Amino acid sequence: GESVGLHLPTLSVQEGDNSIINCAYSNSASDYFIWYKQESGKGPQFIIDIRSNMDKRQGQRVTVLLNKTVKHLSLQIAATQPGDSAVYFCAELSSNYKLTFGKGTLLTVNP
Amino acid sequence: DTEVTQTPKHLVMGMTNKKSLKCEQHMGHRAMYWYKQKAKKPPELMFVYSYEKLSINESVPSRFSPECPNSSLLNLHLHALQPEDSALYLCASSRDTSAAMPQHFGDGTRLSIL
Repeated sequence: GESVGLHLPTLSVQEGDNSIINCAYSNSASDYFIWYKQESGKGPQFIIDIRSNMDKRQGQRVTVLLNKTVKHLSLQIAATQPGDSAVYFCAELSSNYKLTFGKGTLLTVNP
Repeated sequence: DTEVTQTPKHLVMGMTNKKSLKCEQHMGHRAMYWYKQKAKKPPELMFVYSYEKLSINESVPSRFSPECPNSSLLNLHLHALQPEDSALYLCASSRDTSAAMPQHFGDGTRLSIL
């Protein structure tokens, strides 16, 4: 099975609320993780990354949290906007530099 | 707008046809990748090129033949494809494969096999 997965396949939030998208991984040797956003008809767009020597990293309106103890990754989006509606994938980079994606979460933002 | 450009955006071909997908990047990246993505599924790695040499082939059938003519271009030659090969084919690039760094994706070629 896949080494990277997601707890929820869909997430629906109200505009202005904060969103949290979760991801579990199983390969404890993975040392680099990426979140991608994929809009309909587009390729995955890089959002934010984090290395295993960190437990938190912030970007513009986004925060990634890494809990290596339980092999859990999350993406927090502040003040979610309609333009944030998309499928979000977590991905892990294994030791041979192969990027493995999780199943994806469809985020829907309601106005 | 993505900095990885893929052409064509859409391709319909018969099972006996030969066609090629093209990918171009001008970011100076020395690693390039082909992924296959089926509907409602995550991308799956097919090939990795590092410094114009094939470094990873994820047991892809020989009807898919990658080529890297130079550091900016990546092709995927298609021949005798099957209906189950219909998918979105994504190209990506990264600075190189020597250290952890993000891969940047194009918007893909949507391939339909009749």
